[in-house]
Parts: sequence; C-alpha cells; structure tokens
Amino acid sequence: SQQGEEDPQALSIQEGENATMNCSYKTSINNLQWYRQNSGRGLVHLILIRSNEREKHSGRLRVTLDTSKKSSSLLITASRAADTASYFCATDAGSNYQLIWGAGTKLIIKP
Amino acid sequence: AAGVIQSPRHLIKEKRETATLKCYPIPRHDTVYWYQQGPGQDPQFLISFYEKMQSDKGSIPDRFSAQQFSDYHSELNMSSLELGDSALYFCASSRNRVSEAFFGQGTRLTVV
Repeated sequence: SQQGEEDPQALSIQEGENATMNCSYKTSINNLQWYRQNSGRGLVHLILIRSNEREKHSGRLRVTLDTSKKSSSLLITASRAADTASYFCATDAGSNYQLIWGAGTKLIIKP
Repeated sequence: AAGVIQSPRHLIKEKRETATLKCYPIPRHDTVYWYQQGPGQDPQFLISFYEKMQSDKGSIPDRFSAQQFSDYHSELNMSSLELGDSALYFCASSRNRVSEAFFGQGTRLTVV
C-alpha cells in the first residue's frame, strides 16, 4: 500500500496563482521529499524536509511538515506555465532506506 | 554538475528476451536505487544498494536481478521479459542512505 497519499490528484490553476499540494503518510519518517516529473521525463528533486523541521523554503517553493498529523504540503507561489508537471512526495520511512512514493498530483498551469 | 546517467534511454525488446539497464551514479554517491514506473502510475521501488551490497528489496520480480559494481555503477538485469515489464525504469543515487536521492532520466523499456 502507498505510504504517501497526495491530494488533490489533479489541480488546474491560472498562471500567477498559488498552487498547494498535500501529502499524507502512515508511518514515522526520517525525511520527506518532493519531486517534480514532467510528462515521460525523469524525476527532479525539489526539496527535502527532515522530520525535525517544520518549514522549508526554496525559491518559489514552500514546504511544511506536520509530523503529528503525518502530512506535508508543497506551496508553489506565483505559478508559471513551466510549473505544469506531476508532483510526487516521497518519504524515507525509517530503517528500510527506501523512498516510499505517493501517487502524485498533476498540476496544470493555464496561461 | 554531474548527474545520474542511465543507459540506454530507450530499449525495445521482444517477449522472453533479456535486457540490461545501466546506471552511473553521481560521483561519491554510494547508494543506488532502482524504480519502475508503469504508464500513469507512481514509481515502485525495486531494489537498492549501499556500498556495493544489496541494501533493500522491494517489489522486484524473481526474473530481475541487479548488482552494484566496484566503481559504484549498477546494472539491472531483466530476463524472460513480459509485456507488463514495459515501463520507465529510474535509477537514483544518494550520498548515503538518508540523504536526498537524485534521479536519472530513466530508461524506457518497451516489450513487444
């Protein structure tokens, strides 16, 4: 079963608006990572947030982590057409040292 | 900056054939992960290696095997290919088992 579950599954917004995607997970984690995947292309690592961190910024990206709720959110501010992609969260869940992936959110930015 | 290199980028094989996918991690990365992503699906973890030893095993079929060599590159060997093996195969590397993983562009395998 999936460790990470993301919502919404699909999100369509106007260019310039902010996009928020959420990820929930089931077990305790070492860290949570967000990735972007353009259609049929490789995954691009966006940001990693450790279990003892609550918020992290990188450019137009803002990630929050709430370990009590076992959830994370990715906020993309001032969206651009180039942000159109699928966004995945992945958790490093303890001693297994593997990334457990969510189903992804398909983000479409309309010009 | 150097990235994870996968080869080949595209591969077409017939049913029951074998395929070998290669992954060259980022220099000084000691951990390699293999993932399989079917059409429209999320990536599934197959197997990982740390310091040339198998670290963890996911949903890798018995028909598949993998290893990490002394230069840290890794190969995924797939035998008796089935139509359902058609997918994008990603390799990722990290500096150690808890750091962020960086992915290659993937190998698109099509089994006909």
